[in-house]
Amino acid sequence: KAGVTQTPRYLIKTRGQQVTLSCSPISGHRSVSWYQQTPGQGLQFLFEYFSETQRNKGNFPGRFSGRQFSNSRSEMNVSTLELGDSALYLCASSWGMVGTYEQYFGPGTRLTVT
Amino acid sequence: TQLLEQSPQFLSIQEGENLTVYCNSSSVFSSLQWYRQEPGEGPVLLVTVVTGGEVKKLKRLTFQFGDARKDSSLHITAAQPGDTGLYLCAGGGGNYGQNFVFGPGTRLSVLP
Repeated sequence: KAGVTQTPRYLIKTRGQQVTLSCSPISGHRSVSWYQQTPGQGLQFLFEYFSETQRNKGNFPGRFSGRQFSNSRSEMNVSTLELGDSALYLCASSWGMVGTYEQYFGPGTRLTVT
Repeated sequence: TQLLEQSPQFLSIQEGENLTVYCNSSSVFSSLQWYRQEPGEGPVLLVTVVTGGEVKKLKRLTFQFGDARKDSSLHITAAQPGDTGLYLCAGGGGNYGQNFVFGPGTRLSVLP
């Protein structure tokens, strides 16, 4: 069974630009969650999507948004990038609700904002 | 807001030693999970504990969930260099409707 894939793996953007990251979950998984990981703040929950609906959202500004498609693939968008958005963005998929079912992480997208 | 704290933050030990890392919170969690993350990769789930007082063993790793479901520990017996990594505990989500949160992690280094 193929694992969670994330594209691109590395990205360099300039302040003020926007970026879209993509995540393909494990086949059959309906839940996709996004996390931001930085050395200072650790792993922080961004949001969870289940069957195309956002089920839960962390404490991030509205510049961070996401969506999920009917095939469970998910995208995350960050608008008006700031230097502090530089981070490893991780996507995880699970069969059901986060915390109840096992979630499997992708390798992440390393975003650098200059 | 539910928070998870982990201790110690860093741990460097010799191969063959035993160690315990801790995950604590003031909140009750429906379940707690432990992950290990290696550089350049996403976290990998090690175990999920759901019942207060539960103990789970995974080879040389022993996980315990506190009776009050607010804390957990991970004990490694006879550590090996391959155990090196960032150990993260996480909880929330599920039926309690909590946001899913991760602790800051314990960075373990096992020296040969």
